[in-house]
Amino acid sequence: SAVISQKPSRDICQRGTSLTIQCQVDSQVTMMFWYRQQPGQSLTLIATANQGSEATYESGFVIDKFPISRPNLTFSTLTVSNMSPEDSSIYLCSVEGDLYEQYFGPGTRLTVT
Amino acid sequence: KQEVTQIPAALSVPEGENLVLNCSFTDSAIYNLQWFRQDPGKGLTSLLLIQSSQREQTSGRLNASLDKSSGRSTLYIAASQPGDSATYLCAVRDGGSEKLVFGKGTKLTVNP
Repeated sequence: SAVISQKPSRDICQRGTSLTIQCQVDSQVTMMFWYRQQPGQSLTLIATANQGSEATYESGFVIDKFPISRPNLTFSTLTVSNMSPEDSSIYLCSVEGDLYEQYFGPGTRLTVT
Repeated sequence: KQEVTQIPAALSVPEGENLVLNCSFTDSAIYNLQWFRQDPGKGLTSLLLIQSSQREQTSGRLNASLDKSSGRSTLYIAASQPGDSATYLCAVRDGGSEKLVFGKGTKLTVNP
């Protein structure tokens, strides 16, 4: 299994500002995933981040709004840019382990006012 | 397009009861199915992973079954406890896209 930490655990931000979320894994992994969970909804994949290459974004998500960095095999950041109240969600990073088992971090709870 | 449905959306039971949570998916071409637990405002904890070639997996009081041909999985919780109160999410790894597709979850409340 993998142990994943995220910072911050929660934040309240003003409309129009940006927030960078950090994700740290206790082992080297090829791919890291970023998900969004809007209130009362299930998880939606934002993008997949591979070390050394540009992140791959899912339909409906763009790099200008959600820039991602992946500087090494244990760390990634997701920035939520020019925030609006609709960005209020839990943001989760995850990794794959053996047999494609997915492990998740504790999440970052973002509220935009 | 793969879709995952979980029924019921919410369930309330007295402590000690055995219960079953249901998950269905529309496309049987999956690599695996995973059950997660999510506490309010928190991340997901992996409970059980069933590969497409398997029929069931067990961990403690939890037993998950998979019937790929009918597109169904169940999570059986024996002798429920108040600490089991959480939202339970089912996700399949879709065979076409290779991505995880999640259901909306079942919110379980176990009353002391």
